[in-house]
Amino acid sequence: DIVMTQSPDSLAVSLGERATINCKSSQSVLYSSNNKNYLAWYQKKRGQPPKLLVYWASTRESGVPDRFSGSGSGTDFTLTISSLQAEDVAVYYCQQYYATPGSFGQGTKLEIK
Amino acid sequence: EVQLVESGGGLVQTGGSLRLSCAASGFTFTTYNMNWVRQAPGKGLEWISYIGSTSSTIHYADSVKGRFTISRDNAKNSLFLQVNSLRAEDTAVYYCARDSGYCRGATCYNYYMDVWGKGTTVTVSS
Repeated sequence: DIVMTQSPDSLAVSLGERATINCKSSQSVLYSSNNKNYLAWYQKKRGQPPKLLVYWASTRESGVPDRFSGSGSGTDFTLTISSLQAEDVAVYYCQQYYATPGSFGQGTKLEIK
Repeated sequence: EVQLVESGGGLVQTGGSLRLSCAASGFTFTTYNMNWVRQAPGKGLEWISYIGSTSSTIHYADSVKGRFTISRDNAKNSLFLQVNSLRAEDTAVYYCARDSGYCRGATCYNYYMDVWGKGTTVTVSS
């Protein structure tokens, strides 16, 4: 199974500042035949279901604010929030869908400093 | 509006069973693969099962294999999860989630999950 490891486990950032969350997979999730990284990011707020933010590592889901961006390739990925807003307080998860089971990272808790 | 609504959760004793349901609306259910994902209290997200659009492809996480059974009724736009031999560690919120993948012939490919229900809570007590 592919193991996803996020860092840090928790993060406190001031409003308006940049937040960066990292995700590392135990093997590459880049599919060479189509040059796509099988990696998604989700936002999970307390009491709400997960929300898809980014897929194919860098494609923003419709309706997601452009302050959210995904980057990386192969085994190393990053979710960046360019200017943190109060409503961004949540736990963020990466997930690979290169192989079954589609494993999640352990989550990164993002708070306001 | 695209919507998934789970039901069927509750309080059950160790070793008991439940049947979770997920009602889909606002999209063509028959063309989508589906997943169940759970979150135990204080824990992260755990994918537990996947079913292709025609039920030809089914996968389970090792943690539930042999105890849980996923199924769907395309005529009723519904997804199900039969959960048997429940353990304390199965206590969680169970979410159904639409998969963005596709099927080619009898083989289905799971991708990211783009629509999620609000979840149903299963509590296993001794």
